[in-house]
Amino acid sequence: EVQLVESGGVVVQPGGSLRLSCAASGFTFDDYAMHWVRQAPGKGLEWVSLISWDGGSTYYADSVKGRFTISRDNRKKSLYLQMNSLRAEDTALYYCAKDSWDSSGYLAAWGQGTLVTVSS
Amino acid sequence: EIVMTQSPATLSVSPGERATLSCRASQRVSSNLAWYQQKPGQAPRLLIYGASTRATGIPARFSGSGSGTEFTLTISSLQSEDFAVYYCQKYNNWPALTFGGGTKVEIK
Repeated sequence: EVQLVESGGVVVQPGGSLRLSCAASGFTFDDYAMHWVRQAPGKGLEWVSLISWDGGSTYYADSVKGRFTISRDNRKKSLYLQMNSLRAEDTALYYCAKDSWDSSGYLAAWGQGTLVTVSS
Repeated sequence: EIVMTQSPATLSVSPGERATLSCRASQRVSSNLAWYQQKPGQAPRLLIYGASTRATGIPARFSGSGSGTEFTLTISSLQSEDFAVYYCQKYNNWPALTFGGGTKVEIK
């Protein structure tokens, strides 16, 4: 069974930094591209970032470009999101998600999310 | 940038009735369209990809159709567990994924 378990979400002050983690199991982690998607309270889904299977390519939404960094450790079957210069509008539930088998971009599995609150 | 627009925002349906949800893309996305279901307090779940292919374990009462710019998710006979928010998502120009704003299916 595919499992994705996020962690690291906390309350942080504006301008602060945070690192989210996602532990994967139940599939061959290094065969798949991985994403972060967020959902602000009571709002819809927003794609945040993508990393290729080998970590060689990374992509970001304009809203986080230059502030967030996605990475992965295939030996540890883990995905990360380093979040810097946090803003109130970054407050959201952050999901990690597994791309499709052919990396076409639909999200075949999701974790339960970790909540990031940016507030003074 | 492609914008995905879902309608209606809220759909009130009685159990056993048919529900039809729409998703429109501002530019053609071919069949690179997925649908997700999200229940309160839960993560989204993939229902449909390729506009019409059901994901593993998804009941046959869920069906998707359309291509280009107009897409439809149909739930043929609503069950109690189907009341949720549904999102469409385009993925034609990976890696930029875009979601629609969602349609809430509520009990009438």
